[in-house]
Amino acid sequence: RKEVEQDPGPFNVPEGATVAFNCTYSNSASQSFFWYRQDCRKEPKLLMSVYSSGNEDGRFTAQLNRASQYISLLIRDSKLSDSATYLCVVNNFNKFYFGSGTKLNVKP
Amino acid sequence: NAGVTQTPKFRVLKTGQSMTLLCAQDMNHEYMYWYRQDPGMGLRLIHYSVGEGTTAKGEVPDGYNVSRLKKQNFLLGLESAAPSQTSVYFCASSPQGAAQPQHFGDGTRLSIL
Repeated sequence: RKEVEQDPGPFNVPEGATVAFNCTYSNSASQSFFWYRQDCRKEPKLLMSVYSSGNEDGRFTAQLNRASQYISLLIRDSKLSDSATYLCVVNNFNKFYFGSGTKLNVKP
Repeated sequence: NAGVTQTPKFRVLKTGQSMTLLCAQDMNHEYMYWYRQDPGMGLRLIHYSVGEGTTAKGEVPDGYNVSRLKKQNFLLGLESAAPSQTSVYFCASSPQGAAQPQHFGDGTRLSIL
């Protein structure tokens, strides 16, 4: 079983839509959680850390459910510039495990 | 503010050749990592280091060696390149502490013919 699993998508949404991604992880002892964004042929860039109480950064909201071992990312009012692959990342004792990513296409 | 710098950006090798990829970070981070990313797959950890002079194997270490002689540098070596090692290689660093995110270099695109 993979450490981190994501729906690969693609999610095709119109501008202004709200879209949500989920990610599940297998190790209940995982310590920290992140969402990264990766544009085509570029390096991953940190979008936001995910905290136990949930957290928001502008149009982005991240949630963590430790009991069910999943993480979610909600994007409101999607912009064309949000088109990218979103990577779910889990840290277990100094090792980071990456999901294969969820591709988002925001259409005009 | 260079962050994490990888050299070279691109390289084409013949099967059996050797080469070293260099990763340098100027953020005084304790931890450094090498990943490979193949089409349709997530990043897979090759080797990592939790401090100067220390290295450890990741998920896919075979065919690679690493060294961390200086805190700011993490070298990835291919002793005898194989076509299966054609990939995009990313280096990352992070401060000590599980809650600290990683910072990535912009990648090395390596093709083995």
